[in-house]
Amino acid sequence: AQSVTQLDSQVPVFEEAPVELRCNYSSSVSVYLFWYVQYPNQGLQLLLKYLSGSTLVKGINGFEAEFNKSQTSFHLRKPSVHISDTAEYFCAVTSSGTYKYIFGTGTRLKVLA
Amino acid sequence: ETGVTQSPTHLIKTRGQQVTLRCSSQSGHNTVSWYQQALGQGPQFIFQYYREEENGRGNFPPRFSGLQFPNYSSELNVNALELDDSALYLCASSLTSGTQETQYFGPGTRLLVL
Repeated sequence: AQSVTQLDSQVPVFEEAPVELRCNYSSSVSVYLFWYVQYPNQGLQLLLKYLSGSTLVKGINGFEAEFNKSQTSFHLRKPSVHISDTAEYFCAVTSSGTYKYIFGTGTRLKVLA
Repeated sequence: ETGVTQSPTHLIKTRGQQVTLRCSSQSGHNTVSWYQQALGQGPQFIFQYYREEENGRGNFPPRFSGLQFPNYSSELNVNALELDDSALYLCASSLTSGTQETQYFGPGTRLLVL
């Protein structure tokens, strides 16, 4: 069975500082990985995805993530955060032939002025 | 904007009642998935519909049921509501075409069961 672990429930960071949100997954088959962002009282917005190819994936709003198969990780990074990045971030995993996404419990990013 | 819309945005029901939530898929998408997101949790997969048939189901009881229509819009029905059904219900549409599909989410319907 697949699973996703987001170890940090909350990450406070000052504006313009770098941030890394951690995601680890477990799966016995090849995976596809996603990061979604959820702003208060809204649905999920796709930030970026890894399907195949380059392990460094760039997404919207200056975010990027690196797929590390040996460490079964897909950490999300941004070199300089803004107040507007304050939101909940979810990592999700799926695989070929699977119809559902498995989500982590989320990491609340709080950017401080 | 993903082009996925859901209605209503908010809903209040009492225990034992029935509810229907609606989702309109992004243009060109043929698959819809429904998720339940309890407060402080990640979304949990309820089921998926592809070409009007259920294509997979998560660990939810039969009182959670769905429909997909020829225009690929969808409904989620929940019977005999329980307090624990209070959550944000998310609909996601995608295009199943033999390769990995990416799911695009709507804004959700927030259901409160009293």
